[in-house]
Amino acid sequence: EVQLVESGGGLVQPGRSLRLSCAASGFTFDDYAMHWVRQAPGKGLEWVSGISWNSGSIGYADSVKGRFTISRDNAKNSLYLQMNSLRAEDTALYYCAKSPWRGGMLFDYWGQGTLVTVSS
Amino acid sequence: EIVLTQSPDFQSVTPKEKVTITCRASQSIGSSLHWYQQKPDQSPKLLIKYASQSFSGVPSRFSGSGSGTDFTLTINSLEAEDAATYYCHQSSSLPYTFGQGTKLEIK
Repeated sequence: EVQLVESGGGLVQPGRSLRLSCAASGFTFDDYAMHWVRQAPGKGLEWVSGISWNSGSIGYADSVKGRFTISRDNAKNSLYLQMNSLRAEDTALYYCAKSPWRGGMLFDYWGQGTLVTVSS
Repeated sequence: EIVLTQSPDFQSVTPKEKVTITCRASQSIGSSLHWYQQKPDQSPKLLIKYASQSFSGVPSRFSGSGSGTDFTLTINSLEAEDAATYYCHQSSSLPYTFGQGTKLEIK
């Protein structure tokens, strides 16, 4: 059974940093692209960033480019999102999502999310 | 950026009714359009990939169609458990974008 468990969320002041993690199990992690998708309270879905199976291809939403960095450790079956210079508008539930193949750009399984609140 | 516009934003429907949700893209995206279902306080679930391919385990009452700029998600014989918000998503070009969502309420 595919399981994705996010962690690392919390309350953080504007301008500070936070690192999210996603622990994957139930599938061969290094065979699939992975993504972060966020959802502000009461709002819709926004793709944040994605990374291919071997980290050779990475993409970001314009809203986070230059501030967020996605990475993965295939030996640890883990996905990460380093978030710097956080803003109030980054407040959201952050989902880790798996793609169906190595460079995939859709999301076939999602975690339960970790909440990030940016506030002073 | 490709903008996806869903209609309607909200629909109240009765069980066994047929429901159609549309998603229009601001430019052609071929068949790179996917549909997700999100029930209250749950994470989204993939229903349809590449416009018309059903994802594993999804009930057969869900189907998708379309290509280019106009797409449709159809739910035949709606069930009470289908109360949710439905999102379309394009993977044709970066940044990947979602529609604003369509909330289905069951009467």
